[in-house]
Amino acid sequence: EAQLVESGGALVQPGGSLRLSCAASGFSFSSYWMSWVRQAPGEGPEWVANIKHDGRDPYYMASVKGRFTISRDNARNSLYLQMNSLRADDTAVYFCARVKWSHPGAFEIWGQGTMVTVSS
Amino acid sequence: EIMLTQSPGTLSLSPGERATLSCRASQTVTSSFLAWYQHKPGQAPRLLIFGASTRDTGIPDRFSGSGSGTDFTLTISRLEPEDFAVYYCQQYGNSPPWTFGQGTKVEIK
Repeated sequence: EAQLVESGGALVQPGGSLRLSCAASGFSFSSYWMSWVRQAPGEGPEWVANIKHDGRDPYYMASVKGRFTISRDNARNSLYLQMNSLRADDTAVYFCARVKWSHPGAFEIWGQGTMVTVSS
Repeated sequence: EIMLTQSPGTLSLSPGERATLSCRASQTVTSSFLAWYQHKPGQAPRLLIFGASTRDTGIPDRFSGSGSGTDFTLTISRLEPEDFAVYYCQQYGNSPPWTFGQGTKVEIK
C-alpha cells in the first residue's frame, strides 16, 4: 500500500529555519512528481511546491519563492522541504502528496501532515 | 491565479439524503482539470474525483462530479455516516499555481 509519512514539524521563531521530510513507501517513488501542500488553521489547503520525478523543474508558490527549497533523494525514497526566513503566515500543517501521473496537479496520495508553528 | 469559491460553506443533512456541493472558478479551468477531495480531522485528504468527473480508484459510485468551464458540482447521491467531512475542490490546469477552494463542511443534521 502506498504511504507517505511527514516529519520535522516544530515550533520555530520568526526568521528561523526548518527542514521537513517525507518518507515514501509502497510504490516506485522515483517515477512520480511530488508536492508539498499546506493548510493553515481554519483555511483551505494551499499548494506550496512541486518537483518532477527526476528532481528537475521545481515550482513554488509566489510567497515562498526564494525562501523554501523542495528536493528529493530517490535512493532514499524521500522528499524534503527546506524552509528559511520563516514568517507567522507560514504556520500550517504541511502535507506531502504524490501527483497523479495521468493528471499532473491532482494529488492522489497524501500523508497525514506535520505541524509547523512560527511564533515568538 | 485562478480563485475557487465553494458553496455552501456548511451543508446540514441526514444520512440517506443527497448532497450537492458547488465550486465556481474565477476563470475557465483548462481541460476540466478539476479535482475533489474529502478530508476528515486527523486523516490524510482523499482524492475522490479528477478531471471533473472521473472517480479515483476505489471511490464509491455514490460520489459523482460534473461541470466544465467555471462551474463544477460534486454530488453524493445518498449520504453514508462516513461521508460527513469537509470537501475541497482544486484546479490544476496548465502550470502551477494549483489552487484550492475554501471547503464545504457536510455535517449531520
